[in-house]
Amino acid sequence: DIQMTQSPSSLSASVGDRVTITCRASQSISTYLNWYQQKPGKAPKVLLYAASTLQSGVPSRFSASGSGTDFTLTISSLQPEDFATYYCQQSSNTPLTFGQGTRLEIE
Amino acid sequence: QVQLQESGPGLVKPSETLSLTCTVSGGSISGYSWNWIRQPPGKGLEWIGYIYYSGSTNYKPSLTSRVTMSVDTSKNQFSLRLSSVTAADTAVYYCARKTGKPYYIDYWGQGTLVTVSS
Repeated sequence: DIQMTQSPSSLSASVGDRVTITCRASQSISTYLNWYQQKPGKAPKVLLYAASTLQSGVPSRFSASGSGTDFTLTISSLQPEDFATYYCQQSSNTPLTFGQGTRLEIE
Repeated sequence: QVQLQESGPGLVKPSETLSLTCTVSGGSISGYSWNWIRQPPGKGLEWIGYIYYSGSTNYKPSLTSRVTMSVDTSKNQFSLRLSSVTAADTAVYYCARKTGKPYYIDYWGQGTLVTVSS
């Protein structure tokens, strides 16, 4: 299985801050990397797919980059609705695997 | 707008079989792979497997011996059966649609909590 490791596991930030979350794959996954946002009690929602493509309807303050084994998700200016848990997920190989999640909290 | 809805018992006894169905509305079940993903309370996401509309399947290796998925295209439904459950199988179970290349989950059900307890 491809292991996905996110850092940090949790992060405290303020509205307006720029934050970056990293995701590392245990082997190369090209750009088969997706980012999801999950709020308490809700299903995850895709933010970006194929490493850097913004899903329709997702605000442009979300961006992502990377290829191979190292990826980043950046939120340029945090809004109150962005406080949630973020997961990366690889779709290069089955079994599909997720990172352990990064919980983004209000400072 | 595609919508997915899980249904099934919320409580299953240890050693018995968990059975869930996902009903797809607002779109056809054809042309996509249909996934089950679970999340134990307070923990991360675990992919269980998927079934194509054609009926071919791909399961997580560690669960293969206990998992069966099926699809009913006439009803726009797909199902999960997980046998010999234990408390470790307690989780919110999501059904979800995966796109073709570049392969990401674009639609999720709301999730259903299944508790394994006697």
